[in-house]
Amino acid sequence: GAGVSQSPSNKVTEKGKDVELRCDPISGHTALYWYRQSLGQGLEFLIYFQGNSAPDKSGLPSDRFSAERTGGSVSTLTIQRTQQEDSAVYLCASSLVRGNTEAFFGQGTRLTVV
Amino acid sequence: GEDVEQSLFLSVREGDSSVINCTYTDSSSTYLYWYKQEPGAGLQLLTYIFSNMDMKQDQRLTVLLNKKDKHLSLRIADTQTGDSAIYFCAETDSGGYNKLIFGAGTRLAVHP
Repeated sequence: GAGVSQSPSNKVTEKGKDVELRCDPISGHTALYWYRQSLGQGLEFLIYFQGNSAPDKSGLPSDRFSAERTGGSVSTLTIQRTQQEDSAVYLCASSLVRGNTEAFFGQGTRLTVV
Repeated sequence: GEDVEQSLFLSVREGDSSVINCTYTDSSSTYLYWYKQEPGAGLQLLTYIFSNMDMKQDQRLTVLLNKKDKHLSLRIADTQTGDSAIYFCAETDSGGYNKLIFGAGTRLAVHP
């Protein structure tokens, strides 16, 4: 597609369950970001993938969070043993890494842990 | 490390000008960006400025860049209710990753 696609758009899960969030970046974009935005808050950086380089995982809040990017394209963010404080909108963005590194954002996945 | 700071909230009257300020730390940033997030929506690029420019104007938007003070501002002329949103400033990390670093966002409220 033309833009960054995220699925699902909404996810309600029970505390303690694992969830997987998916991001399809713009074709040709080698950089991919995951951010978290809690209600009414700013962006919290989670993880950054750039091409074949080791990802920058410095923003992952705990070892329950992990992400992978297969074939340099689709990315999956996994949250294990979800907690209520994990409830937030998870945003994915992609960009080029040379020149204008404008990031294009998906619409996000709203995760609610009950 | 890199850091981008913004004030969290700004309230203006409809028709007035809004000025949203941002300070950043990475003097090697090539591009600096302003993103807009409307309620319930994702972030959209509003405008950007190349680091060798001092000013960029685009219709009602004026971006000013002071590289010496590492200060970026966004001025919205004739602010309208439709401008109510969260505005995020972002710089590019020049440490080899070209990673975007975002500020926490400034919530702009426009009242009659």
